Amino acid sequence: KAGVTQTPRYLIKTRGQQVTLSCSPISGHRSVSWYQQTPGQGLQFLFEYFSETQRNKGNFPGRFSGRQFSNSRSEMNVSTLELGDSALYLCASSLAPSARTDTQYFGPGTRLTVL
Amino acid sequence: AQSVTQLDSQVPVFEEAPVELRCNYSSSVSVYLFWYVQYPNQGLQLLLKYLSGSTLVKGINGFEAEFNKSQTSFHLRKPSVHISDTAEYFCAVRLISNFGNEKLTFGTGTRLTIIP
Repeated sequence: KAGVTQTPRYLIKTRGQQVTLSCSPISGHRSVSWYQQTPGQGLQFLFEYFSETQRNKGNFPGRFSGRQFSNSRSEMNVSTLELGDSALYLCASSLAPSARTDTQYFGPGTRLTVL
Repeated sequence: AQSVTQLDSQVPVFEEAPVELRCNYSSSVSVYLFWYVQYPNQGLQLLLKYLSGSTLVKGINGFEAEFNKSQTSFHLRKPSVHISDTAEYFCAVRLISNFGNEKLTFGTGTRLTIIP
C-alpha cells in the first residue's frame, strides 16, 4: 500500500506570495493532519480534516488555511508569505479521528523556503 | 492541556552500546503515547506506540519503550545501537477523548548520534 505523498517536495517563494501544498493520504485513510516543523519551534500542529471538515485547529494565524476533498486528498494554503514561514510542512493521515486506536502516518514533507 | 518533555536534546552513543531516550508527559487524562523517528530530509516514521495493555512495547528496528504511569514517562530503549540509528527521535502524546482523538503533541526531539 502506498504511503502518504506530498507535493511538491521543495518550494522557494518570496515574501508576500502565496503557496499551496498538496497531500494524498494512504488509501482508505480519511483523516489528514498538517504540521509545521522548524528548528526553533519544533513540530507544531496546524489543523486536521476529516470528511472535508476541519475538526481541529492549532494556534496559527488566518493566513494558514486548508481544505479536504471528497477523495480525502488535502491542500494547505499560506497567503502573504513571511520569512518565518520557512519550514518543513508535514502531512499525516489516519483512518478516522473517532478510531480509538487511531495512528498517524507521515509523508516526507514539503520544504518551503521564503526569501 | 497535555505537554511532552524530552529531557535530552542530543545524545551521543558509541556503536553497539545501549541507549535510552527519555520522555515525560503531563496530562490530566489518559493518553496514547508514540515514538517517531525522523531521518535526515525525511518525514516521521512510527517506531512504536502504547495504546493499552502491556506497559512494555516493542517496535521496529529493535527499539522498545516502557510506559510508567506513576512517573508519567515513556522512555525509549535499544540494547545495542547501529550507525543507521543516527536520527532525530520524537515522543508524542494524544489525549483519549470521547469526542474523537485529539491532536498529537510532540516533544522537542532528541538527536541521537552514533559514534563508530
